[in-house]
Amino acid sequence: AQKITQTQPGMFVQEKEAVTLDCTYDTSDPSYGLFWYKQPSSGEMIFLIYQGSYDQQNATEGRYSLNFQKARKSANLVISASQLGDSAMYFCAMRVLPVAGGYNKLIFGAGTRLAVHP
Amino acid sequence: EAQVTQNPRYLITVTGKKLTVTCSQNMNHEYMSWYRQDPGLGLRQIYYSMNVEVTDKGDVPEGYKVSRKEKRNFPLILESPSPNQTSLYFCASSLGGQPQHFGDGTRLSIL
Repeated sequence: AQKITQTQPGMFVQEKEAVTLDCTYDTSDPSYGLFWYKQPSSGEMIFLIYQGSYDQQNATEGRYSLNFQKARKSANLVISASQLGDSAMYFCAMRVLPVAGGYNKLIFGAGTRLAVHP
Repeated sequence: EAQVTQNPRYLITVTGKKLTVTCSQNMNHEYMSWYRQDPGLGLRQIYYSMNVEVTDKGDVPEGYKVSRKEKRNFPLILESPSPNQTSLYFCASSLGGQPQHFGDGTRLSIL
């Protein structure tokens, strides 16, 4: 079954430190994409970073990097130099192709709530 | 500005009273989708559309209807809302396999 698992309901980190948010996935499809979204308390969903299953290098976007370990089926988000504004809910998601056709279905994990302390 | 616009942002209504949540995107995206977000469950797909007049069920379609008569619009219809449809709803759009752009969400409470 296609599934995303985020095992950390909540995390906290000290400002300016790095933090890793865990994400494991399950799919038998060789072609997939992995995404991280941030949801601040205001509720909107903000795209952070993307990793394709065939990408050779780990994705990076500013202070965000994705630690992609294909054999372990993990796609952890690393936030370096945490800021107070990073306090939010973070969702890992996987893009899969529905069996009946179509594209771009996203399966989400339950999310991890990150609190950054001063 | 590229955006996905949902309306209303908040709605409190009663069981059985039909309602529609509108969604519009200005990016000429082919793909649009509706999700609901519930605590501990993340976001789950309700319906999606690959193009005009092409829609299909997601993982939790029961109690919802959609239509895609124009490329930019993808309304979500609750014909007879029930309390278990109280949730936070998101509309999203994308072009091909690109990251989905989300609307700001609609918080729906059904009493």
